[in-house]
Amino acid sequence: EAGVAQSPRYKIIEKRQSVAFWCNPISGHATLYWYQQILGQGPKLLIQFQNNGVVDDSQLPKDRFSAERLKGVDSTLKIQPAKLEDSAVYLCASSFRGLSYNEQFFGPGTRLTVL
Amino acid sequence: AQRVTQPEKLLSVFKGAPVELKCNYSYSGSPELFWYVQYSRQRLQLLLRHISRESIKGFTADLNKGETSFHLKKPFAQEEDSAMYYCALNKAAGNKLTFGGGTRVLVKP
Repeated sequence: EAGVAQSPRYKIIEKRQSVAFWCNPISGHATLYWYQQILGQGPKLLIQFQNNGVVDDSQLPKDRFSAERLKGVDSTLKIQPAKLEDSAVYLCASSFRGLSYNEQFFGPGTRLTVL
Repeated sequence: AQRVTQPEKLLSVFKGAPVELKCNYSYSGSPELFWYVQYSRQRLQLLLRHISRESIKGFTADLNKGETSFHLKKPFAQEEDSAMYYCALNKAAGNKLTFGGGTRVLVKP
C-alpha cells in the first residue's frame, strides 16, 4: 500500500513569512498526526486528528500554527508568521484508529529552514 | 507528565559486538513502550513494542517497571543496524506518543 505522502520535502523561508505543509495519510486511516522534530531532538506531537475533528492540540502554538483536516482525509499545517525557532522537520503520521494503540506510519517529513 | 530519556546521543560499536541502548521513562500510569528506528534516508518506523515481547532483527527490549526502563539490546551488532533509534511511550489510553531524544548507533566494520 502507498505510504503517507508529504509535500513539499524542503522549504526555505524568511522569518515572518508564511508557510504551509500538506499531508495525505494512508487510505482508510482515521487518525492523523503532525509532529515537529527539531534538530537533535525526538519528534514532538503538535496535533492529532480523528477523522476531521481535533483530538489533541495541547502542544500546538496556536498564536502562529494552525492545522485543518476538513474532509477527514488530507491535512494542511500552516505557520504564520514563521520564527527562526520553527526551523525543524515536520512529520505527518497516520494510524488506522486512535482511541487505543495502533501503529503510527510516518511520512518522509518536510524540512523547514527559517532564515 | 510523561517523559522519555535516552542518555546516549551516540553509540559506536564494532560489528559483532553487543549493543545496548538505554531508555528511561517517567509516567504515573501503566505505559506502553516502543522502539522506533530511522535508517539513513528512510522514514521513521516501528521496530518493536514491549507488549509483543518479540525479537525483531535480533533486537529485544524488556520493560522494567521497577527501574522505569526499556533498554534495547542486540547481542551481535551488524553494519545494517547503523541508524537513529527512538524510544517512545504511549499512555494507556489514547494513541499519542512521547519520544525520547534519540540515540545514533554506528556499527563499524
